[in-house]
Amino acid sequence: EAGVTQSPTHLIKTRGQQATLRCSPISGHTSVYWYQQALGLGLQFLLWYDEGEERNRGNFPPRFSGRQFPNYSSELNVNALELEDSALYLCASSLVAGGRDTQYFGPGTRLTVL
Amino acid sequence: DAKTTQPPSMDCAEGRAANLPCNHSTISGNEYVYWYRQIHSQGPQYIIHGLKNNETNEMASLIITEDRKSSTLILPHATLRDTAVYYCIVRAAYNNAGNMLTFGGGTRLMVKP
Repeated sequence: EAGVTQSPTHLIKTRGQQATLRCSPISGHTSVYWYQQALGLGLQFLLWYDEGEERNRGNFPPRFSGRQFPNYSSELNVNALELEDSALYLCASSLVAGGRDTQYFGPGTRLTVL
Repeated sequence: DAKTTQPPSMDCAEGRAANLPCNHSTISGNEYVYWYRQIHSQGPQYIIHGLKNNETNEMASLIITEDRKSSTLILPHATLRDTAVYYCIVRAAYNNAGNMLTFGGGTRLMVKP
């Protein structure tokens, strides 16, 4: 079974540009989570999508946005990039079963803002 | 979700069992204990989770104390590839308010030859 995939692996942008990151969940999973991990820091929750809807978002400015498509894949958009947006962006997918959901992570997209 | 406390680092000899402790004294009755690990600059890898019974899978065993206030992740025969940061996370069952994982500092396990 294929795991969570993310693209691109690396992305280099300059300040003020926009970045688009993509995530394909495990087949059958309907929820997608996005996390940011800045260098040397822990994972910070960004966004949660389920069944095409945004269900929750973390403490990030509105220039971080995204969407989930009918096939449950997801896109994270970061507008007006700032230097501190440089980080590893992780996507996780899950399927609710028995009142629990276990999140499985992709390999991440390393975003560098110059 | 309940807060967890883990030692910042541990060493283990290759081939020996690695026992990683986690304290979660404020855990509630409906909260599960999850373990993930993150090898340098990769996405976190799910290892195992449990509610109150001990659990075992192909990767590890999870021992939860009877009062559920602490747990131990056991890697039975550690290899160099098990060198990673291990995160113990306590979280409630799925709900519509938010199911994000909250990662603490974790334990940096160094497996040495």
